[in-house]
Amino acid sequence: DAKTTQPPSMDCAEGRAANLPCNHSTISGNEYVYWYRQIHSQGPQYIIHGLKNNETNEMASLIITEDRKSSTLILPHATLRDTAVYYCIVRVAEGNTGKLIFGQGTTLQVKP
Amino acid sequence: NAGVTQTPKFRILKIGQSMTLQCTQDMNHNYMYWYRQDPGMGLKLIYYSVGAGITDKGEVPNGYNVSRSTTEDFPLRLELAAPSQTSVYFCASSVDRASLYYEQYFGPGTRLTVT
Repeated sequence: DAKTTQPPSMDCAEGRAANLPCNHSTISGNEYVYWYRQIHSQGPQYIIHGLKNNETNEMASLIITEDRKSSTLILPHATLRDTAVYYCIVRVAEGNTGKLIFGQGTTLQVKP
Repeated sequence: NAGVTQTPKFRILKIGQSMTLQCTQDMNHNYMYWYRQDPGMGLKLIYYSVGAGITDKGEVPNGYNVSRSTTEDFPLRLELAAPSQTSVYFCASSVDRASLYYEQYFGPGTRLTVT
């Protein structure tokens, strides 16, 4: 599975959009981009995933560049409860055991 | 559905003791996983299972054993506990491989200290 690079930490003002970048320059054509987050001391929580098209759900939007070498997770109106570690993971979706390889992620601090 | 449940929540072990961390899921998921998370680090995969009776090693399997006799349960056994096994342990499960989504559902974790 491709390796990802994320900034170690970011701040965001409450109510503003939080944009979390992820570089995955060695991603293969059949690898998906997944985002999970981990609120302090809890188990990780799935947020969103995508292959090459932009995706949106009730939690966030995922923007993937045309060359697929990077992506951005967008939390449109960050709240204090969005303070967490955000993990960007790339992996194949089929012919795989479902394993996730977690890096160190980005610690997002939402400030009032 | 309760989702993924783990017991105990906390445990302190002495060096050389053994214990079993319990994990149960009620979502009829075939895939189950054990991760450990050391302070300030991401999760590392210990063992995983793609169905009852089938298990395989992850990134950091040494010092651990698993079994999967039912779809619901995936216990993790620590033999001869060492201080290096002090960590938070998370169990997870996911839908069948036929799905493209592979969303993993995580339990609340077990915080283990070995002294």
